[in-house]
Amino acid sequence: GAVVSQHPSWVICKSGTSVKIECRSLDFQATTMFWYRQFPKQSLMLMATSNEGSKATYEQGVEKDKFLINHASLTLSTLTVTSAHPEDSSFYICSARDLTSGRYEQYFGPGTRLTVT
Amino acid sequence: QKEVEQDPGPLSVPEGAIVSLNCTYSNSAFQYFMWYRQYSRKGPELLMYTYSSGNKEDGRFTAQVDKSSKYISLFIRDSQPSDSATYLCAMMGNQFYFGTGTSLTVIP
Repeated sequence: GAVVSQHPSWVICKSGTSVKIECRSLDFQATTMFWYRQFPKQSLMLMATSNEGSKATYEQGVEKDKFLINHASLTLSTLTVTSAHPEDSSFYICSARDLTSGRYEQYFGPGTRLTVT
Repeated sequence: QKEVEQDPGPLSVPEGAIVSLNCTYSNSAFQYFMWYRQYSRKGPELLMYTYSSGNKEDGRFTAQVDKSSKYISLFIRDSQPSDSATYLCAMMGNQFYFGTGTSLTVIP
């Protein structure tokens, strides 16, 4: 149980284009989803927290107009990187939590590697 | 002071060794503690979670929480090359806090 998928696993895009990454909870309802960014050999950096049906809460320094997050259902959240630039190249990981279970641990997706050329 | 401190390593041990991974934290309100394992270019995988002080064992893994010292540990017995990964501690207060991760290599 507690499986989270991400799609795509790897994407290359040209500078200036937009890229959408999907995060799905496959066997539970994700009341809360998180989006992280991770650079090589560094820890997770929380970008934003989203609750189903609400606007995402962004961490300080994360541009909400650049990283659009939509959590339209209890099983799907999307992150859209708009007008991508090479400095946006990174490993993006989502995680999900089911607060109705009474437990707090997060379950992570496999990650999406974004390369902007 | 960071909320969670974790030695980044790298840690290198021979196969079969007992591995001890540790994190310290500063907020006494933390109640929920987790350990994740992350292989290269993969998302973190939940290994263990514990609530408040005490020990929890799962196979070769034992998670230990000492709230009086604000110190948590993950012990791996009979370590295997497949245990080579980065191990992240995490804890829950009003939000999630992650350690920076410890890179572990188990040498055959």
